[in-house]
Amino acid sequence: AQSVTQLGSHVSVSEGALVLLRCNYSSSVPPYLFWYVQYPNQGLQLLLKYTTGATLVKGINGFEAEFKKSETSFHLTKPSAHMSDAAEYFCAVSEGNFGNEKLTFGTGTRLTIIP
Amino acid sequence: NAGVTQTPKFQVLKTGQSMTLQCAQDMNHNSMYWYRQDPGMGLRLIYYSASEGTTDKGEVPNGYNVSRLNKREFSLRLESAAPSQTSVYFCASSEWDFPSSYEQYFGPGTRLTVT
Repeated sequence: AQSVTQLGSHVSVSEGALVLLRCNYSSSVPPYLFWYVQYPNQGLQLLLKYTTGATLVKGINGFEAEFKKSETSFHLTKPSAHMSDAAEYFCAVSEGNFGNEKLTFGTGTRLTIIP
Repeated sequence: NAGVTQTPKFQVLKTGQSMTLQCAQDMNHNSMYWYRQDPGMGLRLIYYSASEGTTDKGEVPNGYNVSRLNKREFSLRLESAAPSQTSVYFCASSEWDFPSSYEQYFGPGTRLTVT
């Protein structure tokens, strides 16, 4: 069975500082990994995904994540935080089998940006 | 394209009442999902449908039923609502598109309160 652990339910960073949101996963097969963002009172929007190929993945709004198989991690980073980045972020894993694209989500990390 | 739409946006029910949450997608996706989101618990899968005519239980199916009416529509029914079903409900859809997809597209959510 697959699972996702997000360390830190709340993270605060100053505007302009590095954003680092942590995600570790477990999966019995090579995983497909995702980061979603949720702004207040909205649905989830895909930030980036890793399926195969390059392990450093770039997404929207300046975010990127690196798949590290040896560490079973897929941490999300952004070099310089902006006020508009305040939101909740979810890491998710899929086993990526045809007809079984179910996602398992982490419990989320709420990111607060300090002016 | 509207993407994934959900109705209603808000609903208040009394314990024991029934209701159906509607979801439709216009992306011609085969797979559709219903999740519930509760504080500190991330998103949990209630039911999913890998294709028209098929449905399967997810992590938290008790108290819910679903219908995959056609390829576009996937409804979630609460037969006898309980306060424990107070939550935000999200519908999502996806398509197998090896190797670059598995992305799930989310609707805006339905906020349900059961008193």
